[in-house]
Amino acid sequence: QVQLVESGGGVVQPGGSLRLSCAGSGFTFSNYGMYWVRQAPGKGLQWVAGISYGGNNQYYIDSVKGRFTISRDSSKDALYLQMNSLRTEDTAMYYCAKLLFHYDSSGFSADFWGQGTLVIVSS
Amino acid sequence: DIVMTQSPLSLPVTPGEPASISCRSSQSLLFSNGHDYLDWYVQKPGQSPQLLIYMASNRASGVPDRFSGSGSGTDFTLKISRVEAEDVGVYYCMQALQAPCTFGQGTKLEIK
Repeated sequence: QVQLVESGGGVVQPGGSLRLSCAGSGFTFSNYGMYWVRQAPGKGLQWVAGISYGGNNQYYIDSVKGRFTISRDSSKDALYLQMNSLRTEDTAMYYCAKLLFHYDSSGFSADFWGQGTLVIVSS
Repeated sequence: DIVMTQSPLSLPVTPGEPASISCRSSQSLLFSNGHDYLDWYVQKPGQSPQLLIYMASNRASGVPDRFSGSGSGTDFTLKISRVEAEDVGVYYCMQALQAPCTFGQGTKLEIK
Protein backbone atom coordinates (compact mmCIF):
# COMPACT_ATOMS: atom_id res chain seq x y z
CA GLN A 1 0.00 0.00 0.00
CA VAL A 2 1.09 3.57 -0.63
CA GLN A 3 2.86 5.24 2.28
CA LEU A 4 4.37 8.68 2.67
CA VAL A 5 6.39 9.37 5.81
CA GLU A 6 7.64 12.87 6.57
CA SER A 7 10.52 13.71 8.88
CA GLY A 8 12.86 16.54 9.71
CA GLY A 9 10.56 18.93 11.50
CA GLY A 10 11.49 20.63 14.74
CA VAL A 11 12.01 23.91 16.52
CA VAL A 12 14.25 26.48 14.86
CA GLN A 13 15.00 30.14 15.44
CA PRO A 14 13.96 32.81 12.94
CA GLY A 15 16.52 32.97 10.16
CA GLY A 16 17.43 29.33 10.62
CA SER A 17 17.18 26.36 8.28
CA LEU A 18 15.55 22.94 8.21
CA ARG A 19 15.39 20.16 5.67
CA LEU A 20 12.21 18.14 5.50
CA SER A 21 12.15 14.67 3.98
CA CYS A 22 9.32 12.50 2.71
CA ALA A 23 9.90 8.80 2.13
CA GLY A 24 7.59 7.14 -0.36
CA SER A 25 6.77 3.46 -0.69
CA GLY A 26 4.18 1.19 -2.27
CA PHE A 27 4.26 2.96 -5.65
CA THR A 28 6.72 3.77 -8.43
CA PHE A 29 8.01 7.01 -6.94
CA SER A 30 9.79 8.19 -10.08
CA ASN A 31 6.53 8.22 -12.06
CA TYR A 32 4.67 10.75 -9.94
CA GLY A 33 4.88 14.44 -9.24
CA MET A 34 4.85 15.39 -5.57
CA TYR A 35 4.16 18.44 -3.47
CA TRP A 36 4.23 19.97 -0.01
CA VAL A 37 1.23 21.50 1.71
CA ARG A 38 1.33 23.21 5.09
CA GLN A 39 -1.19 24.04 7.77
CA ALA A 40 -0.50 26.69 10.40
CA PRO A 41 -1.98 25.94 13.83
CA GLY A 42 -5.75 26.26 13.70
CA LYS A 43 -5.67 27.44 10.08
CA GLY A 44 -6.49 26.04 6.66
CA LEU A 45 -4.38 24.31 4.05
CA GLN A 46 -1.76 26.13 2.01
CA TRP A 47 0.00 24.60 -0.97
CA VAL A 48 3.72 25.41 -0.68
CA ALA A 49 5.80 23.77 -3.42
CA GLY A 50 5.60 21.09 -6.08
CA ILE A 51 7.96 19.13 -8.31
CA SER A 52 7.37 17.22 -11.53
CA TYR A 53 7.83 13.48 -11.75
CA GLY A 54 11.22 13.87 -13.44
CA GLY A 55 12.33 16.70 -11.17
CA ASN A 56 12.78 19.17 -14.01
CA ASN A 57 9.98 21.54 -12.98
CA GLN A 58 9.54 23.13 -9.56
CA TYR A 59 6.73 25.38 -8.42
CA TYR A 60 6.46 27.62 -5.37
CA ILE A 61 4.13 30.07 -3.74
CA ASP A 62 5.49 33.60 -3.77
CA SER A 63 6.09 33.78 -0.02
CA VAL A 64 8.68 30.97 -0.11
CA LYS A 65 10.40 31.67 -3.42
CA GLY A 66 14.11 32.18 -2.92
CA ARG A 67 13.95 30.66 0.59
CA PHE A 68 12.60 27.12 0.03
CA THR A 69 13.85 24.53 -2.45
CA ILE A 70 11.94 21.39 -3.37
CA SER A 71 13.89 18.44 -4.74
CA ARG A 72 13.64 14.69 -5.13
CA ASP A 73 15.93 11.70 -5.26
CA SER A 74 14.10 8.94 -7.08
CA SER A 75 16.94 6.49 -6.41
CA LYS A 76 15.95 6.81 -2.75
CA ASP A 77 12.19 7.33 -3.29
CA ALA A 78 12.52 10.57 -1.38
CA LEU A 79 11.15 14.09 -1.58
CA TYR A 80 12.80 17.02 0.18
CA LEU A 81 12.05 20.57 1.17
CA GLN A 82 15.06 22.69 2.08
CA MET A 83 13.82 25.65 4.09
CA ASN A 84 16.17 28.60 4.66
CA SER A 85 15.68 32.03 6.21
CA LEU A 86 12.75 30.69 8.19
CA ARG A 87 10.17 33.11 9.55
CA THR A 88 7.68 32.78 12.37
CA GLU A 89 4.91 32.64 9.77
CA ASP A 90 6.41 29.39 8.41
CA THR A 91 5.33 27.64 11.60
CA ALA A 92 3.03 24.83 10.48
CA MET A 93 2.47 21.15 9.98
CA TYR A 94 4.02 20.21 6.64
CA TYR A 95 2.47 17.41 4.60
CA CYS A 96 3.87 15.76 1.50
CA ALA A 97 1.43 14.50 -1.09
CA LYS A 98 1.55 12.32 -4.20
CA LEU A 99 -0.15 13.26 -7.44
CA LEU A 100 -3.06 11.11 -8.55
CA PHE A 101 -2.00 10.79 -12.17
CA HIS A 102 1.39 9.50 -13.24
CA TYR A 103 3.74 11.39 -15.51
CA ASP A 104 2.02 14.66 -14.47
CA SER A 105 -0.51 13.84 -17.13
CA SER A 106 -3.56 15.54 -15.71
CA GLY A 107 -3.60 18.24 -13.12
CA PHE A 108 -2.45 18.42 -9.54
CA SER A 109 -4.93 16.24 -7.64
CA ALA A 110 -3.25 14.39 -4.76
CA ASP A 111 -4.49 10.96 -3.77
CA PHE A 112 -2.15 10.14 -0.88
CA TRP A 113 -0.86 12.33 1.93
CA GLY A 114 1.61 11.72 4.71
CA GLN A 115 0.91 12.29 8.40
CA GLY A 116 2.92 15.48 8.47
CA THR A 117 5.96 16.89 10.27
CA LEU A 118 5.71 19.92 12.53
CA VAL A 119 7.92 22.96 12.03
CA ILE A 120 8.03 25.61 14.75
CA VAL A 121 9.92 28.82 14.10
CA SER A 122 10.38 30.65 17.35
CA SER A 123 13.01 32.52 19.32
CA ASP B 1 -2.97 33.01 -8.41
CA ILE B 2 -6.49 31.62 -8.56
CA VAL B 3 -8.60 32.56 -5.55
CA MET B 4 -10.99 29.96 -4.17
CA THR B 5 -14.01 30.97 -2.09
CA GLN B 6 -16.14 28.50 -0.15
CA SER B 7 -19.50 28.84 1.56
CA PRO B 8 -20.69 28.31 4.15
CA LEU B 9 -17.70 28.22 6.48
CA SER B 10 -19.67 26.39 9.15
CA LEU B 11 -22.25 23.71 8.46
CA PRO B 12 -24.23 22.07 11.28
CA VAL B 13 -26.15 19.07 9.96
CA THR B 14 -28.54 16.54 11.48
CA PRO B 15 -27.53 12.92 10.78
CA GLY B 16 -29.43 11.52 7.83
CA GLU B 17 -29.99 14.95 6.34
CA PRO B 18 -28.30 16.23 3.17
CA ALA B 19 -25.51 18.81 3.11
CA SER B 20 -24.11 21.04 0.41
CA ILE B 21 -20.94 23.14 0.13
CA SER B 22 -20.24 25.68 -2.58
CA CYS B 23 -16.91 26.66 -4.06
CA ARG B 24 -16.20 29.45 -6.49
CA SER B 25 -12.96 30.14 -8.35
CA SER B 26 -11.70 33.52 -9.55
CA GLN B 27 -11.08 32.07 -13.00
CA SER B 28 -12.35 29.12 -14.98
CA LEU B 29 -11.00 25.71 -14.05
CA LEU B 30 -12.14 24.20 -17.34
CA PHE B 31 -9.17 23.00 -19.37
CA SER B 32 -9.07 22.47 -23.13
CA ASN B 33 -9.43 18.71 -22.63
CA GLY B 34 -12.93 19.23 -21.27
CA HIS B 35 -12.07 18.52 -17.63
CA ASP B 36 -12.64 20.90 -14.74
CA TYR B 37 -9.67 20.74 -12.38
CA LEU B 38 -11.46 21.13 -9.07
CA ASP B 39 -10.87 18.78 -6.15
CA TRP B 40 -12.60 18.28 -2.82
CA TYR B 41 -10.65 17.13 0.24
CA VAL B 42 -11.76 16.40 3.77
CA GLN B 43 -9.62 16.67 6.87
CA LYS B 44 -11.12 14.70 9.71
CA PRO B 45 -10.12 15.60 13.27
CA GLY B 46 -6.50 14.74 13.95
CA GLN B 47 -5.94 13.37 10.45
CA SER B 48 -4.26 14.34 7.21
CA PRO B 49 -6.36 15.59 4.33
CA GLN B 50 -7.84 12.95 2.05
CA LEU B 51 -9.08 13.21 -1.51
CA LEU B 52 -12.85 12.92 -1.96
CA ILE B 53 -13.57 14.19 -5.46
CA TYR B 54 -11.25 15.03 -8.36
CA MET B 55 -11.98 16.73 -11.66
CA ALA B 56 -15.15 18.18 -10.16
CA SER B 57 -17.24 15.02 -10.21
CA ASN B 58 -15.09 11.90 -9.91
CA ARG B 59 -15.14 10.08 -6.60
CA ALA B 60 -11.74 8.97 -5.36
CA SER B 61 -11.12 5.33 -4.58
CA GLY B 62 -13.07 4.13 -1.55
CA VAL B 63 -15.25 7.23 -1.22
CA PRO B 64 -18.89 6.38 -0.44
CA ASP B 65 -21.43 7.18 -3.13
CA ARG B 66 -23.32 9.52 -0.80
CA PHE B 67 -20.63 12.06 -1.79
CA SER B 68 -21.02 13.75 -5.14
CA GLY B 69 -19.43 16.70 -6.89
CA SER B 70 -20.83 18.89 -9.63
CA GLY B 71 -20.24 22.14 -11.44
CA SER B 72 -18.09 23.57 -14.18
CA GLY B 73 -16.12 26.67 -15.01
CA THR B 74 -16.06 28.71 -11.82
CA ASP B 75 -18.90 27.30 -9.71
CA PHE B 76 -18.80 23.95 -7.98
CA THR B 77 -20.74 22.05 -5.34
CA LEU B 78 -20.05 19.14 -3.03
CA LYS B 79 -23.14 17.28 -1.85
CA ILE B 80 -23.55 14.67 0.83
CA SER B 81 -26.86 12.92 0.33
CA ARG B 82 -27.22 11.69 3.92
CA VAL B 83 -24.73 12.91 6.49
CA GLU B 84 -23.27 10.38 8.90
CA ALA B 85 -21.41 11.02 12.15
CA GLU B 86 -18.12 9.96 10.53
CA ASP B 87 -18.40 12.82 8.01
CA VAL B 88 -17.41 15.38 10.64
CA GLY B 89 -14.40 17.40 9.54
CA VAL B 90 -13.26 20.35 7.47
CA TYR B 91 -13.96 20.22 3.75
CA TYR B 92 -11.70 22.06 1.31
CA CYS B 93 -11.98 22.71 -2.37
CA MET B 94 -8.72 23.09 -4.29
CA GLN B 95 -8.00 24.15 -7.82
CA ALA B 96 -5.75 21.55 -9.41
CA LEU B 97 -5.44 23.32 -12.75
CA GLN B 98 -2.25 25.23 -12.29
CA ALA B 99 0.58 25.66 -9.83
CA PRO B 100 0.57 27.08 -7.29
CA CYS B 101 -2.58 25.20 -6.36
CA THR B 102 -4.92 27.08 -4.07
CA PHE B 103 -7.43 25.97 -1.46
CA GLY B 104 -10.67 27.44 -0.27
CA GLN B 105 -10.92 28.57 3.35
CA GLY B 106 -12.51 25.31 4.45
CA THR B 107 -16.02 24.42 5.60
CA LYS B 108 -16.37 22.88 9.04
CA LEU B 109 -19.11 20.25 9.06
CA GLU B 110 -20.43 19.38 12.47
CA ILE B 111 -23.22 17.16 13.67
CA LYS B 112 -26.20 18.80 15.36
